[in-house]
Amino acid sequence: DVKVTQSSRYLVKRTGEKVFLECVQDMDHENMFWYRQDPGLGLRLIYFSYDVKMKEKGDIPEGYSVSREKKERFSLILESASTNQTSMYLCASSNAGLSYEQYFGPGTRLTVT
Amino acid sequence: GQNIDQPTEMTATEGAIVQINCTYQTSGFNGLFWYQQHAGEAPTFLSYNVLDGLEEKGRFSSFLSRSKGYSYLLLKELQMKDSASYLCAAQNQAGTALIFGKGTTLSVSS
Repeated sequence: DVKVTQSSRYLVKRTGEKVFLECVQDMDHENMFWYRQDPGLGLRLIYFSYDVKMKEKGDIPEGYSVSREKKERFSLILESASTNQTSMYLCASSNAGLSYEQYFGPGTRLTVT
Repeated sequence: GQNIDQPTEMTATEGAIVQINCTYQTSGFNGLFWYQQHAGEAPTFLSYNVLDGLEEKGRFSSFLSRSKGYSYLLLKELQMKDSASYLCAAQNQAGTALIFGKGTTLSVSS
């Protein structure tokens, strides 16, 4: 079974803190993605990566950065957390190619106070 | 611009059939995915359509019309466990990213 794991299910941080969200997949997938999911807004793509050290901005990259030093690991970084970044963060991975589905991790619910 | 539209909520009863519609407008398009998401859980893959027509997979079927920018998910013989959010997602032309709709919350009652 494909497994995508995220470092925390729940996280509470203070405004201005630097936050790291980690995602690891065990299926040797080329592509990895970070989304946030908010009520009424759905899933929105923050960043994705199609190879080690490669990254592409998604629809809402402002306030976020990412790192992919190893194929299996994709990190989302909030340089200075703000209250509007309180959200559910979902990581996903997939094989390269047009027909491959994305497999999602369980999500991290981040609260910034 | 890019836009994916689907109804916000739907209700149905056990044993019934329900059709969840999705219309999309994207700058480039390769295929259409449907995902199921139970409350508090991660989305899981249901179906993928790249060609026009109907794809059947057990109780679930998905249809695509590329010329109309339209898809639907058909759920037959509804069960209580089908109560979930159903997400429509259009894949960009390069196949590197999905654009998700806001999801349709389906409530199945007995």
